[in-house]
Amino acid sequence: DAKTTQPPSMDCAEGRAANLPCNHSTISGNEYVYWYRQIHSQGPQYIIHGLKNNETNEMASLIITEDRKSSTLILPHATLRDTAVYYCIVRVEGIAYDKVIFGPGTSLSVIP
Amino acid sequence: ETGVTQTPRHLVMGMTNKKSLKCEQHLGHNAMYWYKQSAKKPLELMFVYNFKEQTENNSVPSRFSPECPNSSHLFLHLHTLQPEDSALYLCASSQGGGDRLETQYFGPGTRLLVL
Repeated sequence: DAKTTQPPSMDCAEGRAANLPCNHSTISGNEYVYWYRQIHSQGPQYIIHGLKNNETNEMASLIITEDRKSSTLILPHATLRDTAVYYCIVRVEGIAYDKVIFGPGTSLSVIP
Repeated sequence: ETGVTQTPRHLVMGMTNKKSLKCEQHLGHNAMYWYKQSAKKPLELMFVYNFKEQTENNSVPSRFSPECPNSSHLFLHLHTLQPEDSALYLCASSQGGGDRLETQYFGPGTRLLVL
């Protein structure tokens, strides 16, 4: 089972910041928070990941609370091409492979 | 373009047919994965291969048979499928596991319809 909970859907106006929340209250100390997104009928795309510090890259920012029980993915200036399903994932460390368990995600609609 | 390719992109097959899905990664990764995504459902992990060895079989029916001849290629052989097997089948690859901060890179998927 997925170890995260996310709202099923969100809307965001084009050009505004999209803030996508994720709860992961049972996260372990050595587990990372990963974000992927899936545009309709395409494969998931990696966005960003973090352990406990806030992270930023060319796509997004990741804010993780101090207790690590929740996080927020921020798309600073949402465009129509950001319309997708966003998955928040807690990475389960397996033996010699990376086992990623996806939940239902948040369907983000960017509105003109 | 993620460096992971899948063929065919679309496939229609009857329940008595035998077909194969192909995945190829050009990233030098050593782990490859098959996922299934049914309509309005989350991705489901099916199989994991690490260094050509199968390390995970997530209770997948035997009508799905994976094959990994080398670290760059992964196949999913299909036979006597059911209509409920219609889904998007996604392949992914990653550098490895353990403590490394690798991520999975996904292919575009094969849209399968079983009639």
